[in-house]
Order: sequence, then structure tokens, then C-alpha cells
Amino acid sequence: QKEVEQNSGPLSVPEGAIASLNCTYSDRVSQSFFWYRQYSGKSPELIMSIYSNGDKEDGRFTAQLNKASQYVSLLIRDSQPSDSATYLCAVNLVSANQAGTALIFGKGTTLSVSS
Amino acid sequence: DAGVTQSPTHLIKTRGQQVTLRCSPKSGHDTVSWYQQALGQGPQFIFQYYEEEERQRGNFPDRFSGHQFPNYSSELNVNALLLGDSALYLCASSSLAVAGGDEQFFGPGTRLTVL
Repeated sequence: QKEVEQNSGPLSVPEGAIASLNCTYSDRVSQSFFWYRQYSGKSPELIMSIYSNGDKEDGRFTAQLNKASQYVSLLIRDSQPSDSATYLCAVNLVSANQAGTALIFGKGTTLSVSS
Repeated sequence: DAGVTQSPTHLIKTRGQQVTLRCSPKSGHDTVSWYQQALGQGPQFIFQYYEEEERQRGNFPDRFSGHQFPNYSSELNVNALLLGDSALYLCASSSLAVAGGDEQFFGPGTRLTVL
């Protein structure tokens, strides 16, 4: 059973601080990793994808990947109250016959940014 | 550029009934994946359709079936509804035909309530 683990939180940070969200995964052959943001009552929104070891930056967001440690993280700089949401980590699982793919999600970490 | 659309938005059914949910992928995408999200959980993969065939399937019973049409739109059918089928059903589109096209974009979801 392939698994993705995240701390459920809540993670509380003050406005302007850095929020750090972490995720570990069990499938060593996974090559694609994603972070989604989900506001209460809404569907997940893709905010970052990362495929290679190291850092990938997009605006206030930085994703970090360490395949040897099977670890993915998301840093949110200058956190804003509008960042308050659940952040879902997802790992792409390719089928054994290479015919299809599936996203395996963690349960999500709830982030609360206070003004 | 139209995003992923789903219908209906909400649905209420009783145990034992059957339901059909519909999804149209984002323009330019040819692959549709379906997920079930229970309250407080991450989305769980149901199955993926590409070229009108089921390419990968998650750990869901045969009561869950699907179809993809030549225009890439898709349906999810659930038979013999159980109370535990109450959830948010999410459709995601991507493009398996494009190298690196494994980013999945979600529609707004269908909220199914089984009484």
C-alpha cells in the first residue's frame, strides 16, 4: 500500500511569517510530486509541482524535494491570512503496465495564518 | 479557456439507488481521473480514463464504474448506494499524451449525500 504522510495540524503562524509544510512518501519509484491548496468547501487547486531533487520557487512558494529521504516540503514566505487553507501533498503513482497514473494524497495539513 | 466542469453540483440519493456524475475536462486535455474525498480526508483515487479505456483503478468495488466518451468527457456511475458513499466526488483532467503532462487539475466537485 503506497502511502503519503502529512501532519494534520493545525499549523498556526502569524501574518508575515514562513509556514513550513512537510510530507513523506513510501513509494521509492515515484517521480512526480505535487502540492495542492484546498479552501473549505472547495476543490483542490494545484499550486506547485516538482520532479527533481532540490528547490523550486514560484512567487512566495518554494517546494523542496529529497528523493533519497522520500521527503517533500512546501515553504510559504510572507504568509497571508488568505493562505489559510488545507494543503495536500500528492505523489504520482504509475501503474505497473505504465498505462495510467494516479495521485496518492496525504490527509492534508491545515494552515491558519493570523493577522 | 474553460476549466474542468462537473455536474451536478449537489445530489441527494437514498440507499440502494444508482447515481451518475459527469465531467468535462479542461480544453486540450485527454485524460480524466475520478477521486472520492470524505470529510477531513485527502482525495482517494477511483480510476482513470484515457482513450476511452480504464487505465488504472484504485481500491474501489465494482459498484463504481465509469466511461469516457470520444470528446474526452467522462461519467462516474455508482450502483447500490451505501451511506458510506456520501462524499465529494472530484474529477481531474490531465494529458497523458503530452510528455510531462501529469499535472492534474480538479473540477469543482459533486457533493453526494446518501440518506
